[in-house]
Amino acid sequence: DSGVTQTPKHLITATGQRVTLRCSPRSGDLSVYWYQQSLDQGLQFLIQYYNGEERAKGNILERFSAQQFPDLHSELNLSSLELGDSALYFCASSADYNDEQFFGPGTRLTVL
Amino acid sequence: AQTVTQSQPEMSVQEAETVTLSCTYDTSESNYYLFWYKQPPSRQMILVIRQEAYKQQNATENRFSVNFQKAAKSFSLKISDSQLGDTAMYFCAFMKLIQGAQKLVFGQGTRLTINP
Repeated sequence: DSGVTQTPKHLITATGQRVTLRCSPRSGDLSVYWYQQSLDQGLQFLIQYYNGEERAKGNILERFSAQQFPDLHSELNLSSLELGDSALYFCASSADYNDEQFFGPGTRLTVL
Repeated sequence: AQTVTQSQPEMSVQEAETVTLSCTYDTSESNYYLFWYKQPPSRQMILVIRQEAYKQQNATENRFSVNFQKAAKSFSLKISDSQLGDTAMYFCAFMKLIQGAQKLVFGQGTRLTINP
């Protein structure tokens, strides 16, 4: 157990819908990262937050957005969902920006 | 942009054997970090080992060790005395720091099977 929690574990929804994925970092970790793992694209970095501020952006679609709250938990919002958004979404956290990342168990999103 | 290449999509060895997983990367940076992550069937991503580019000594964690060749941009993982529980996808990852941010770039993974 990495100490990073993600909810829900599984999510099944329809095209065009909007969902919110939630992540609680390890106690004391200030940085949160989101990744998407799909069969065709592999593991891709989406976005990083550090103590509430966006720090780095990767291959995140405009339909996706994220935020980190004062209690340091983070949410990833996915809207206008398409079939191709079906994937495993990981959250990771690190104590500081130069520390290794510890991954949560992931949220499996299925878009039908 | 940094790229990470794992040239072995799949590998299979017998229990107790030693196996080496290959990874090469492309970067113009001089200061960076390299990692190996393991993803067992549970899909959890587990950090196996970490190497700082400025350190010449190869990292070791119990049965896991790396061969870091900075000039060749190579970062292979050696698993000694392999166990059934080592069966997993293994991902090599590159990380650089940019003004208080970090980004992990992953390879495509190597599926390792340990046979009894």
